Amino acid sequence: GAGVSQTPSNKVTEKGKYVELRCDPISGHTALYWYRQSLGQGPEFLIYFQGTGAADDSGLPNDRFFAVRPEGSVSTLKIQRTERGDSAVYLCASSPAGGTYGGELFFGEGSRLTVL
Amino acid sequence: KQEVTQIPAALSVPEGENLVLNCSFTDSAIYNLQWFRQDPGKGLTSLLLIQSSQREQTSGRLNASLDKSSGRSTLYIAASQPGDSATYLCAVPHSGAGSYQLTFGKGTKLSVIP
Repeated sequence: GAGVSQTPSNKVTEKGKYVELRCDPISGHTALYWYRQSLGQGPEFLIYFQGTGAADDSGLPNDRFFAVRPEGSVSTLKIQRTERGDSAVYLCASSPAGGTYGGELFFGEGSRLTVL
Repeated sequence: KQEVTQIPAALSVPEGENLVLNCSFTDSAIYNLQWFRQDPGKGLTSLLLIQSSQREQTSGRLNASLDKSSGRSTLYIAASQPGDSATYLCAVPHSGAGSYQLTFGKGTKLSVIP
């Protein structure tokens, strides 16, 4: 696609529920990243995929968070047993190449999650 | 641990003024630095990427400079316009090998008054 696409744009859920957020990166980009942004803060790193594998998941806050990218393109961020503190904007980004030297990142519009 | 600071947190200027946004980082062993723009309720738009070997990068009315040794970058906006109103964030990569994660500042919220 022309840009990084994220769905849903908004998600309201109740505490304890399960949530999936989807990211469709720019076609041909091998690297995909998930970030989380709380109000008034800069985005914080969650996880980085190079191809199908999670090359760095050190930013995931706990084991309720999990992400997959089974075919090396679309990725899904999964949150189990949601808590009110999970409320934030979840941003996905992609870049043509990953690795240590990285490259320019292109972000989607984000998925705003509200946990009641 | 890399820390990124942006000063000021907010800035209001009249239309037409030139302005400078500041970004500082604690670990100078970076590969590059990227400046982003974020409009309210929107994602991030990449403005400029400066490689560690570069000192400047220009795009239209924007000019970004990088001084690795002092841990600083500036974003210069010439002849500001109301459409420039947004939050501007800088980000640097994590310095660990085999990883690529960005550390962001909290941003500078710019308001350009017509």
